Amino acid sequence: NAGVTQTPKFRILKIGQSMTLQCAQDMNHNYMYWYRQDPGMGLKLIYYSVGAGITDKGEVPNGYNVSRSTTEDFPLRLELAAPSQTSVYFCASSHGGGSYEQYFGPGTRLTVT
Amino acid sequence: KQEVTQIPAALSVPEGENLVLNCSFTDSAIYNLQWFRQDPGKGLTSLLLIQSSQREQTSGRLNASLDKSSGRSTLYIAASQPGDSATYLCAVVDRGSTLGRLYFGRGTQLTVWP
Repeated sequence: NAGVTQTPKFRILKIGQSMTLQCAQDMNHNYMYWYRQDPGMGLKLIYYSVGAGITDKGEVPNGYNVSRSTTEDFPLRLELAAPSQTSVYFCASSHGGGSYEQYFGPGTRLTVT
Repeated sequence: KQEVTQIPAALSVPEGENLVLNCSFTDSAIYNLQWFRQDPGKGLTSLLLIQSSQREQTSGRLNASLDKSSGRSTLYIAASQPGDSATYLCAVVDRGSTLGRLYFGRGTQLTVWP
């Protein structure tokens, strides 16, 4: 049972490039989330999903897109990378109603130069 | 909008001390509160989850309490060790939430020296 996995662990992008951050979970959780963490700040919600085919915006969605074609996978797409997207990105999942206890992946550290 | 504050922002103590980390939230209508540990360059590890109907949770040397009416939670660490050095994050889920999103504080950076 791997829990929540994320790839890559590190990435450097040039301004204007695009990339996809991968996230997968093997706990059969319906709820999945993407957060970003800037230095010295708390985590902020980018996008979330409550099941396959259902996604919605969080607090800071601009510059990102998501899809959820399966229960296991929840990739985050960055289009036209900007320096403001330099951050650490965390994916999380939870079973949903009744607990909402969230389990986090190890994170992807992204630098845009 | 829910806001979560953690005090102090940083704490440095000698090994063996008992510690209290504080977390406050502005909207007392929460579903649960979760304490996490984050090591440098690593992900978040869940330490304790307190449901809104509970007053405290314990795991080993850790004890977390919840006072919804005052909008506060404390994380008590007994007999601290250098291995406890990390950033501790507090987060809440609002009662009205249908998606379980977490509102995070900025964390308390703890250093325990030998």
